[in-house]
Amino acid sequence: DVKVTQSSRYLVKRTGEKVFLECVQDMDHENMFWYRQDPGLGLRLIYFSYDVKMKEKGDIPEGYSVSREKKERFSLILESASTNQTSMYLCASESTGTALTRAQYFGPGTRLLVL
Amino acid sequence: AQSVTQLDSHVSVSEGTPVLLRCNYSSSYSPSLFWYVQHPNKGLQLLLKYTSAATLVKGINGFEAEFKKSETSFHLTKPSAHMSDAAEYFCVVSLGGSQGNLIFGKGTKLSVKP
Repeated sequence: DVKVTQSSRYLVKRTGEKVFLECVQDMDHENMFWYRQDPGLGLRLIYFSYDVKMKEKGDIPEGYSVSREKKERFSLILESASTNQTSMYLCASESTGTALTRAQYFGPGTRLLVL
Repeated sequence: AQSVTQLDSHVSVSEGTPVLLRCNYSSSYSPSLFWYVQHPNKGLQLLLKYTSAATLVKGINGFEAEFKKSETSFHLTKPSAHMSDAAEYFCVVSLGGSQGNLIFGKGTKLSVKP
């Protein structure tokens, strides 16, 4: 089974702090994604990566950056946390197989509160 | 443009009765479609996926969905609800391409009454 883990389930940070959210997958997947989930807004894509050191902006990249130094690890960075970044953050990974085999697998999520 | 609409934000059923969660999609080509489930404070779990191999797709936990091209629908069903099915369900369409971007529906919250 695919396993996607996230470093923290709950985080509380203060405004202005630099925040690192880590995601690790164990299936040698090429693609990895960061989403945030908010009530009434659903899931929104922040950034994704299709290879080591490669990254692409999603729908809402402002205020975030990412790092992918190793294939299995994809980090989301909040350079200076703000209260409007309080949210549930979900990481996902996906192989680049055919449409028959491709699906995104999600981690358990990190609930971030910025005070 | 691709889009997905979940027609009900909240569905409530009694334990042992059938479940129907409705989803309509819009796609300019043959889509890949998925249903995910999210239990409270958990990540999303893949229930099932349609990728043009068969129109009736069986998933985990007794769920299934039928792809109907003429109706542009991909409704999720289960013959008999269980208390553990109470969760939020997301219908998702894939944009395809090398990055596999997904478009998520807004979600349907399923409540199961004893």
